Amino acid sequence: TQLLEQSPQFLSIQEGENLTVYCNSSSVFSSLQWYRQEPGEGPVLLVTVVTGGEVKKLKRLTFQFGDARKDSSLHITAAQPGDTGLYLCAGYDYKLSFGAGTTVTVRA
Amino acid sequence: GAVVSQHPSWVICKSGTSVKIECRSLDFQATTMFWYRQFPKQSLMLMATSNEGSKATYEQGVEKDKFLINHASLTLSTLTVTSAHPEDSSFYICSARGTSGSRTDTQYFGPGTRLTVL
Repeated sequence: TQLLEQSPQFLSIQEGENLTVYCNSSSVFSSLQWYRQEPGEGPVLLVTVVTGGEVKKLKRLTFQFGDARKDSSLHITAAQPGDTGLYLCAGYDYKLSFGAGTTVTVRA
Repeated sequence: GAVVSQHPSWVICKSGTSVKIECRSLDFQATTMFWYRQFPKQSLMLMATSNEGSKATYEQGVEKDKFLINHASLTLSTLTVTSAHPEDSSFYICSARGTSGSRTDTQYFGPGTRLTVL
């Protein structure tokens, strides 16, 4: 059973557009992490959010952690083809539980 | 940053044979290593957690006699898929967590091993 639900499952946008990926859970996690994974490779950690209400920015990526530490969002501004990949959220509670992932395709 | 390697990166084997996958932490000591399996278009599913020098803890539904895990040193864990069958074909990914002092929620992932069983 997936503890974390991600939406949408697939997202295809044009270069320059913005996008938001959501990660929701009924459970509280001590921290939540976002990863990006490219085909045939392992996931790469983008950010860890710990505090409820926390907002972190990584260049054009903005991550939010909900006040109740159950949900999170990833917003990409002015997406580029290099942002294409599988975005995974993972909640930590002694071990990582991954969401199903969102496949993002940015068309040039 | 911390680096985790896996070997081999891909392997093709015949049904009924056993395959061993190695996971190494190259520049840090990993007290805990994790093994995940990922099917196409799906997320990572945790198979087992191993602590150096002790038996692995398997997730529900994962056969411990089929997926043998050994974590004999602080830098090496191995996953052996015994009597592999086509349904075992998947992308196997390991991750490692460092010794005390590092964040307990920080895991460093390997590049994965693509297993294809014919």
